[in-house]
Amino acid sequence: GQQLNQSPQSMFIQEGEDVSMNCTSSSIFNTWLWYKQDPGEGPVLLIALYKAGELTSNGRLTAQFGITRKDSFLNISASIPSDVGIYFCAGPSGGSNYKLTFGKGTLLTVNP
Amino acid sequence: NAGVTQTPKFQVLKTGQSMTLQCAQDMNHNSMYWYRQDPGMGLRLIYYSASEGTTDKGEVPNGYNVSRLNKREFSLRLESAAPSQTSVYFCASSEAPRTRPRETQYFGPGTRLLVL
Repeated sequence: GQQLNQSPQSMFIQEGEDVSMNCTSSSIFNTWLWYKQDPGEGPVLLIALYKAGELTSNGRLTAQFGITRKDSFLNISASIPSDVGIYFCAGPSGGSNYKLTFGKGTLLTVNP
Repeated sequence: NAGVTQTPKFQVLKTGQSMTLQCAQDMNHNSMYWYRQDPGMGLRLIYYSASEGTTDKGEVPNGYNVSRLNKREFSLRLESAAPSQTSVYFCASSEAPRTRPRETQYFGPGTRLLVL
């Protein structure tokens, strides 16, 4: 089945630093989703991307839908301690409008 | 709106015991999902229900059954729990606004299950 590869697996940064993470696939995706999971909680949708080349922001977060449609990027500017959590990319799997494939996540730790 | 709610929050079972995880959503969504999350594995789909009255297998359905009780509720049952089913279980729901695809899923807070 389709797989999404996220990198890096984990990051440890200082408060105020910018963060970049990415997600790649061997197959084309028509939608890219970025979720954040706070410790002990369920994932929450951060940004949804629907068109190749699309650049979308949500506060200090910016995500891009790669031109090749096989990758996506998430950037966080001026990180703060509450940015701590696991960031997942996801996309529809097997051509389904219902099933999502998730990456394994990037664990972000922010040192105050 | 409470969004997606799950009960129980925590559960400890012995091998062979059965239990049902409950999920309800108040967003009038048509589609509901059950995932499991294991360390280093991300989220894997167990079963989903595209609409009331339908259910389909996901990536890892073995050892589980589901029931879409009505539009609001979607339960997950472990008939004979095994240690390999120790995990965190998330329920999610989705409904597309007319301008967007159905992929936007909203998650519950999770049920943490330990099978001894």
